[in-house]
Amino acid sequence: DTEVTQTPKHLVMGMTNKKSLKCEQHMGHRAMYWYKQKAKKPPELMFVYSYEKLSINESVPSRFSPECPNSSLLNLHLHALQPEDSALYLCASSLETGTNTEAFFGQGTRLTVV
Amino acid sequence: DQQVKQNSPSLSVQEGRISILNCDYTNSMFDYFLWYKKYPAEGPTFLISISSIKDKNEDGRFTVFLNKSAKHLSLHIVPSQPGDSAVYFCAAKTNNDMRFGAGTRLTVKP
Repeated sequence: DTEVTQTPKHLVMGMTNKKSLKCEQHMGHRAMYWYKQKAKKPPELMFVYSYEKLSINESVPSRFSPECPNSSLLNLHLHALQPEDSALYLCASSLETGTNTEAFFGQGTRLTVV
Repeated sequence: DQQVKQNSPSLSVQEGRISILNCDYTNSMFDYFLWYKKYPAEGPTFLISISSIKDKNEDGRFTVFLNKSAKHLSLHIVPSQPGDSAVYFCAAKTNNDMRFGAGTRLTVKP
């Protein structure tokens, strides 16, 4: 099982809404990532969790709030987003903190902020 | 600061020929390199990887070459097939930090 599951697949939210993106994997991976991808651009790293602790925060605005409740789940809480935050949000996981491991991606959540 | 660069936004090759996709990086701390294939509105799919202690890794039609002194890697696909048409991203890792290049759109013509 090399599956990373993201829900929902699509999300439309207003600028005053609060919503959450969810990511789940059951591969025993201990590193989990959030990336943001705009059209025709590479995925941009947002957050990395290692053993359920936040290890990298790429100066992401506080309107994005990550949470790792356990080793299988990763959430991204959204509040007061702007239209320019509309993008494909990708979750990934890799085995652990070692470097020689590939990361597996979910299908992404297509977020539209109106 | 673009730490991983793919300078060719697109590449078109004939079916059966070799496709060569290139990638350069600037951060010498990167020690693991990956290639991903991506279709629109989907997550990237892992293709092949290489550790910095190697200079070549082969998996079927896909071979990745690493020139550490030049901070350059390339993905060779031979023979290319129409189903290979997609955007290919190069990625580089150190610890849990993984960065992507801008991608190269490969079109394989029948």
